[in-house]
Formats: sequence, C-alpha cells, structure tokens
Amino acid sequence: EIVLTQSPGTLSLSPGERATLSCRASQSVSSSYLAWYQQKPGQAPRLLIYGASSRATGIPDRFSGSGSGTDFTLTISRLEPEDFAVYYCQQYGSSQFTFGPGTKVDIK
Amino acid sequence: EVQLVESGGGLVQPGRSLRLSCAASGFTFDDYAMHWVRQAPGKGLEWVSGISWNSGSIGYADSVKGRFTISRDNAKNSLYLQMNSLRAEDMALYYCAKVAFRYYYYYYMDVWGKGTTVTVSS
Repeated sequence: EIVLTQSPGTLSLSPGERATLSCRASQSVSSSYLAWYQQKPGQAPRLLIYGASSRATGIPDRFSGSGSGTDFTLTISRLEPEDFAVYYCQQYGSSQFTFGPGTKVDIK
Repeated sequence: EVQLVESGGGLVQPGRSLRLSCAASGFTFDDYAMHWVRQAPGKGLEWVSGISWNSGSIGYADSVKGRFTISRDNAKNSLYLQMNSLRAEDMALYYCAKVAFRYYYYYYMDVWGKGTTVTVSS
C-alpha cells in the first residue's frame, strides 16, 4: 500500500496570499497518477487536479499542481475567500487507492 | 446532469450487517468504474473499495477486506456495498464516486454523491 503524507497539517494564511501544500508518497506513484481534492464542511470532495498537474474542468487557474515520483505540490497562487477548506491528495496508480490525511487551509 | 445518490445507511449494532446502494443517473453507468470512499466523523477520506465497469477488477482496503463486498448491477444503474461484521471503526459517511473515463479502473474520481451515514453502536 502506498502511504501518502501531507504537510503541513494546517496552513493559516490571509486572502491574497500564496498557499503551498505538499504530498509525499512512500513509494513512487505510477505515471503521476495523483489527484488533489478540495472539501468544504458538509460537502463532498471536489476534484481539483489529476495526473499531478492537470486542472479539472471549471477549476480556476490559481490552482496548480506539480511533481512526480514521490513528491507532489498543490499551489494556490492567491487565496480567495472560497479557497479556505481541506485539501486531500490521492494516488490511483496501485491496487489500493489511498488518500493523504489532508491539509486544512484556514484564515489567519 | 450526472448524479449519484447513496442510500441504505443507518444505525446498526456491532457485528451486524448493512447494505449500501448508490443510484447513478445522467451517464452510461455500464462504462465506468465506481468506488466507495468513507469519512469517519471529523476525520479524513479513506478509500474503501472499487469495481471496474465489468466487475473484472475489484479492490478493497485492508481494513475491510473479508468483511465488505462491492458489486454492481448495470441493468439497474446501481452500485452496492455489502458490509458484514461491522465494527465501531466502520462508522462513517460513505460516498460513492465515479471514475472519470470510460473503461478505466486506475483513474481519478470526478463525481461524488452526497453520502450516506453508517452508525455502528450497541
């Protein structure tokens, strides 16, 4: 099983600031089969990024993903009020799909 | 509009069974792999199980292997999760989710339902 570790656990920032979230895998993620999801309280997760760096339909370009192998990053270039949420990475390249524990981005 | 609606959750005693359902609409259900993902209260997301479009590939998390069974009925556009020998740690909101591309199993999930809650308590 590929274990995903996300850091930091909580990121306290102000609107307009840049957010950098990290996701590290215990072994290489096949073909960059890594996705990022956003979840707000009381809502289902929403797909943001797939294939490590491709934005899903309708996702603003302030969200970007990068990385390969075992190290991946989600960057939000300028935080908008609606971006304060929990972010999960997920790998889908092995027989057991796994999620990271999440990074909460909250308002400073 | 693509829609997934889960049902079947409820209160169940430890050791008992429950069957969850997910009704799909707005897309050709037969062509897509599907997954169950759960979220315990106040916790993160945990992948539970997945099934390919033709049921040829099926996977389970170690935490549920041997107790849970995923299945689908393409004629009824429905996904199921049979949960046996339920434990307190199985208590969670259970989401069903659709894989993004036809015929792919190892792919990301692009549409999620709102979930159904399973409470395990005596």
